[in-house]
Amino acid sequence: GAGVSQSPSNKVTEKGKDVELRCDPISGHTALYWYRQSLGQGLEFLIYFQGNSAPDKSGLPSDRFSAERTGGSVSTLTIQRTQQEDSAVYLCASSASTGNTIYFGEGSWLTVV
Amino acid sequence: QKEVEQNSGPLSVPEGAIASLNCTYSDRGSQSFFWYRQYSGKSPELIMSIYSNGDKEDGRFTAQLNKASQYVSLLIRDSQPSDSATYLCAFLNTNAGKSTFGDGTTLTVKP
Repeated sequence: GAGVSQSPSNKVTEKGKDVELRCDPISGHTALYWYRQSLGQGLEFLIYFQGNSAPDKSGLPSDRFSAERTGGSVSTLTIQRTQQEDSAVYLCASSASTGNTIYFGEGSWLTVV
Repeated sequence: QKEVEQNSGPLSVPEGAIASLNCTYSDRGSQSFFWYRQYSGKSPELIMSIYSNGDKEDGRFTAQLNKASQYVSLLIRDSQPSDSATYLCAFLNTNAGKSTFGDGTTLTVKP
C-alpha cells in the first residue's frame, strides 16, 4: 500500500477482554515499530522488529502485551485482559531499513471501559 | 538522564515570528536526526532529517545539528497559525537499531 495501514482505527472494549491491533507496513519496509501514546503524552516505545532479527521487546509494559510479525510484513499487537490504563492510541511505524525515515500509520484508538 | 530532552513548552510565538525548538541527546553514537510534527489527534509526520553537522534548510524550516554539543534544533521562520502543533525530535544510532523520540514541544502561533 501507499502508507502504513492500521486496523481497527477505533476500538472500544470491556475491561478484561483481549484485543488485537493490526499493522500492515509500507511494502518492502524491513523495520517495524509499535508505540503507545496516551492523551497529551509523548510516544512510548513498545516493540521493534528488524528483518529476521529477534525483536526488541524492551518497551512492552507487562506480560499482557505481546506482538508478532508474520512473514516479515504484517504485525499484530495483542493486549490480554485489558485494563483502563491501556486506553491510548497505538501507533505503528515502518522504515525501509535501520537508519531510514520512519513513517507512521494513523493509529488505533483503544478505549477500555 | 533521559536519552532525548526537549522543552515541553508550551512555546508561544506571534504570527510571522521565528520559532526555535531545541533538543539534546545523550547517545554520542547517534547518526541520524529527525524532526516530526504532530497535530492534535493525528500521527507524527516527518518535517526534516539531518545527518551532518551544520544547517539544512527546507522552505521556512531550518534544522541545525551540532554533534559535539549533542544538540539539534529546528527553526521555523515566518511562523503561521497552521504551524501550531507538537514537534518531536528523534535520533537513531544505526548500530543500536531503533529510533528514540523526545516527548515533544508544543508550539502555539498566535494570529
